[in-house]
Amino acid sequence: GAVVSQHPSRVICKSGTSVKIECRSLDFQATTMFWYRQFPKQSLMLMATSNEGSKATYEQGVEKDKFLINHASLTLSTLTVTSAHPEDSSFYICSRTSGSSYNEQFFGPGTRLTVL
Amino acid sequence: AQSVAQPEDQVNVAEGNPLTVKCTYSVSGNPYLFWYVQYPNRGLQFLLKYITGDNLVKGSYGFEAEFNKSQTSFHLKKPSALVSDSALYFCAVRVVSGGYNKLIFGAGTRLAVHP
Repeated sequence: GAVVSQHPSRVICKSGTSVKIECRSLDFQATTMFWYRQFPKQSLMLMATSNEGSKATYEQGVEKDKFLINHASLTLSTLTVTSAHPEDSSFYICSRTSGSSYNEQFFGPGTRLTVL
Repeated sequence: AQSVAQPEDQVNVAEGNPLTVKCTYSVSGNPYLFWYVQYPNRGLQFLLKYITGDNLVKGSYGFEAEFNKSQTSFHLKKPSALVSDSALYFCAVRVVSGGYNKLIFGAGTRLAVHP
């Protein structure tokens, strides 16, 4: 069964509003989770590494003030897209590590964001 | 720079025939390699990994991958393709950056299996 869930699976919002996406680790206390963005017919791009109890580590070129990440508990990380614009429309996927030292990741089902 | 390359955008194969999805990598040190599959509008599902040991790794759904150090390749294979195998396949390599283990993904290869 699924080990990572995301909510919502799909969201449509107006330009200028903020959208929060939740990522839950269902069976494992995850100190580290990851947020990816995937454009149509393209690969996954790592946006940030979410760390429980501390600030997220953002990849180069990702605006930390636009994509707010909170990892307040060992089972929940949230991504808030602030003041969303149409160019933020994308498929957002979170993941957690397996817990082994080799760090394969288990992915959530993704959230399709459409900004009108 | 550490990277993963999937040279084929799409692979077409007839059902029942063997399939190969290619992946090459460039990393420093010993590579930790992974294959994932993505169905439409879904997250990625883990198929298999190579860490060390036998060069032929067996994974989920009858897939296997062969690690070739001299060719820096990690091609995904299946002896007999199914229509249900049609999906997007990603090769990935683990890298350590900023103190964290991260995955770098290839661009993906779309596999189309025809009846």
